[in-house]
Amino acid sequence: ETGVTQTPRHLVMGMTNKKSLKCEQHLGHNAMYWYKQSAKKPLELMFVYSLEERVENNSVPSRFSPECPNSSHLFLHLHTLQPEDSALYLCASSQGTPKVGDTQYFGPGTRLTVL
Amino acid sequence: GQQLNQSPQSMFIQEGEDVSMNCTSSSIFNTWLWYKQDPGEGPVLLIALYKAGELTSNGRLTAQFGITRKDSFLNISASIPSDVGIYFCAGLEGGSEKLVFGKGTKLTVNP
Repeated sequence: ETGVTQTPRHLVMGMTNKKSLKCEQHLGHNAMYWYKQSAKKPLELMFVYSLEERVENNSVPSRFSPECPNSSHLFLHLHTLQPEDSALYLCASSQGTPKVGDTQYFGPGTRLTVL
Repeated sequence: GQQLNQSPQSMFIQEGEDVSMNCTSSSIFNTWLWYKQDPGEGPVLLIALYKAGELTSNGRLTAQFGITRKDSFLNISASIPSDVGIYFCAGLEGGSEKLVFGKGTKLTVNP
């Protein structure tokens, strides 16, 4: 595997379900990100992790809970979501955090539908 | 928060034509990035710009970091059908952790 991978690629869940999105980067990067992409809106940054420590939490509702057990893996735990949370969730990684100007590389995304 | 204005929102062109799109911001950026996103996939980095006035090419793509540091341009020459997709600009303000994205330009190329 190379680059940034995400699983599952598609997920349909009810509002009472609990599910997790997984991201893995094979680039040796130290920073990882979660973004939300909704139709006709710019990508919205959700969380930033640098060396497994959360450095940015962009006012995301608590029903989204990130976890970064090591620099290669990032999870997004989902519970009691709302239909408006349906979107493409993108993971990205970079060598350093954006402050040092490092480029972010994206995974293919998880298409989430909340019924 | 900071927003980027990306235009045009969409373009319909004939194969072989050149394409131009741009992004502007209200504040000064240190980095400009251009990404392309195909349906069902994540954005793929096309060109990264780190210096005002910088002009960088990647095959038929050319991007420039504006002198004022508040804008960037992407040009595609001699378009082909596989150029279809959504092109996003992204910028980074100095000292910020947040990469700010434009809303994208949807490109359609008619054979």
